[in-house]
Amino acid sequence: NAGVTQTPKFQVLKTGQSMTLQCAQDMNHEYMSWYRQDPGMGLRLIHYSVGAGITDQGEVPNGYNVSRSTTEDFPLRLLSAAPSQTSVYFCASSYSSDPGQGIGGYTFGSGTRLTVV
Amino acid sequence: QQQVKQSPQSLIVQKGGISIINCAYENTAFDYFPWYQQFPGKGPALLIAIRPDVSEKKEGRFTISFNKSAKQFSLHIMDSQPGDSATYFCAASVTGANNLFFGTGTRLTVIP
Repeated sequence: NAGVTQTPKFQVLKTGQSMTLQCAQDMNHEYMSWYRQDPGMGLRLIHYSVGAGITDQGEVPNGYNVSRSTTEDFPLRLLSAAPSQTSVYFCASSYSSDPGQGIGGYTFGSGTRLTVV
Repeated sequence: QQQVKQSPQSLIVQKGGISIINCAYENTAFDYFPWYQQFPGKGPALLIAIRPDVSEKKEGRFTISFNKSAKQFSLHIMDSQPGDSATYFCAASVTGANNLFFGTGTRLTVIP
């Protein structure tokens, strides 16, 4: 049981480049989300999805796109990377969009550390 | 604006001691308060959670104390062990919402 798998683990981009961070889960979770973790800021929600074909914005969506064509996958796209997007990105999934439902809360991947130079 | 304020930023405790991390919130609609534990190179994982209908919840060495009137909650780790060394995040959400609002995190180091 792999849980939530994120690739790549590390990435360095030049300003203006685009890339896609991959996230896959094998738990048949309907809810998936992307957070970024920055020092002194905690984790902040970028985008989320409550099921295939449904996505919505979180607290800090600017500069990012998402799509959800399957239950398993939820890629995050950086359209034109900026140094302000240097961060650690975490994908999370859950049985329910409500973090208080179910038993284990949100299941997080191990993260992607992105540096934009 | 940080929805959940967490302190301290870092904490060093001797093995066997008590670790205490505090969080405060303003939004009275919050009704679910989890704590997540994160080890280096890993994602956060749910440790323990509480709802405001109780003032305390204990699971093993970990206890959440909740003060609804003060809008504060805290994590107590009894008999702290070196294996507890990690970053701890408090969080809050509203039932039916699609988001967890996280605190800024506390890096706990337990010295043998």
